Amino acid sequence: NAGVTQTPKFRVLKTGQSMTLLCAQDMNHEYMYWYRQDPGMGLRLIHYSVGEGTTAKGEVPDGYNVSRLKKQNFLLGLESAAPSQTSVYFCASRFRTNTGELFFGEGSRLTVL
Amino acid sequence: AQKVTQAQTEISVVEKEDVTLDCVYETRDTTYYLFWYKQPPSGELVFLIRRNSFDEQNEISGRYSWNFQKSTSSFNFTITASQVVDSAVYFCALSEARDDKIIFGKGTRLHILP
Repeated sequence: NAGVTQTPKFRVLKTGQSMTLLCAQDMNHEYMYWYRQDPGMGLRLIHYSVGEGTTAKGEVPDGYNVSRLKKQNFLLGLESAAPSQTSVYFCASRFRTNTGELFFGEGSRLTVL
Repeated sequence: AQKVTQAQTEISVVEKEDVTLDCVYETRDTTYYLFWYKQPPSGELVFLIRRNSFDEQNEISGRYSWNFQKSTSSFNFTITASQVVDSAVYFCALSEARDDKIIFGKGTRLHILP
């Protein structure tokens, strides 16, 4: 099983450009999450989804949009990238219960110049 | 709002020493779940343990052990006889029963020196 797959793994953007990160999971998980990891800041929740067609804001949602049109996919969009969005982005998923652990993707390193 | 504090930013110990990583949490919920994850230098996030708020039994898994104390809102992680392969960033996380978010602490970077 592939588990949680993120694409792309690396990307360099110029300020103001837009892009979308794709997260795909093949475990039939209901819940999906996007986190960003910055030095000294740990993992901070950007947005999450508890099912197809639903999304909710996390701790640091500004500057990002998300969509969950299909259960297995969770897209993270940057409409106008800023240098402050340079980070490593992790997608994660879990079963329809908040007792379960998260399964993470390998991460996507984004650099905004 | 839920909160996780890992006060130790970075720890260095010599191989074979025991080391404890601290995790203190805040929650208003009576039912919640605590997690530990490991992030080795390769970057992936590896699940280590989950503990629910009704189970205060300590857990041991090989050289790893976890001490959950509701009275002090702590869920500490001890590595016994540390090895170089234990070098990683370790994250503690909290999920409340009435919420769907999982909130992480800032992590503790552990260096095991040969």
